[in-house]
Amino acid sequence: AQSVTQLDSQVPVFEEAPVELRCNYSSSVSVYLFWYVQYPNQGLQLLLKYLSGSTLVESINGFEAEFNKSQTSFHLRKPSVHISDTAEYFCAVTRYNQGGKLIFGQGTELSVKP
Amino acid sequence: GAGVSQSPRYKVAKRGQDVALRCDPISGHVSLFWYQQALGQGPEFLTYFQNEAQLDKSGLPSDRFFAERPEGSVSTLKIQRTQQEDSAVYLCASSFQAGYEQYFGPGTRLTVT
Repeated sequence: AQSVTQLDSQVPVFEEAPVELRCNYSSSVSVYLFWYVQYPNQGLQLLLKYLSGSTLVESINGFEAEFNKSQTSFHLRKPSVHISDTAEYFCAVTRYNQGGKLIFGQGTELSVKP
Repeated sequence: GAGVSQSPRYKVAKRGQDVALRCDPISGHVSLFWYQQALGQGPEFLTYFQNEAQLDKSGLPSDRFFAERPEGSVSTLKIQRTQQEDSAVYLCASSFQAGYEQYFGPGTRLTVT
């Protein structure tokens, strides 16, 4: 069975500092990987995804994630965070042949302070 | 709007009552998913439809939970004889086809008292 582990439940950070949100997954087959973001009082939004090809994927707002197959990781990074990045971040995985059903991690609450 | 909509946004039910939660997917989206998100947790898969066919219901926690999508568009998640442990946010998502990006609705927050 697949599972997703987000190693940090809360990450407090100061504005303009770098941040890394960690995600590890377990699966015996090939998977697609995603990061979703949930801003306060809003629904889940896709931040970025890895389907195939380049192992480094980027979002439009400066986040990036790197797929590392040997370490079964998909950590999310941003070199300089803003107050507006304060949100809950969820890592998720789906198998190629499962119709797209997502298995989510427990979430990491990113809190950016001035 | 063009997004996924869910109604009601909030529902309070007394233990033992039946509830029905509605999801309107993005027009033309073939795949529809239901997830349950308990407080402080990540969403957990409940069930999945492709058009009107329910292809995977492995995540439904008990036979009190039932979902349908009779015309391949709107879906309803029904919970019979609600229990306190059913309190959660129920999320609906749709995608163009299986394996494509899922777009999530705002969720229905169910509180069972």
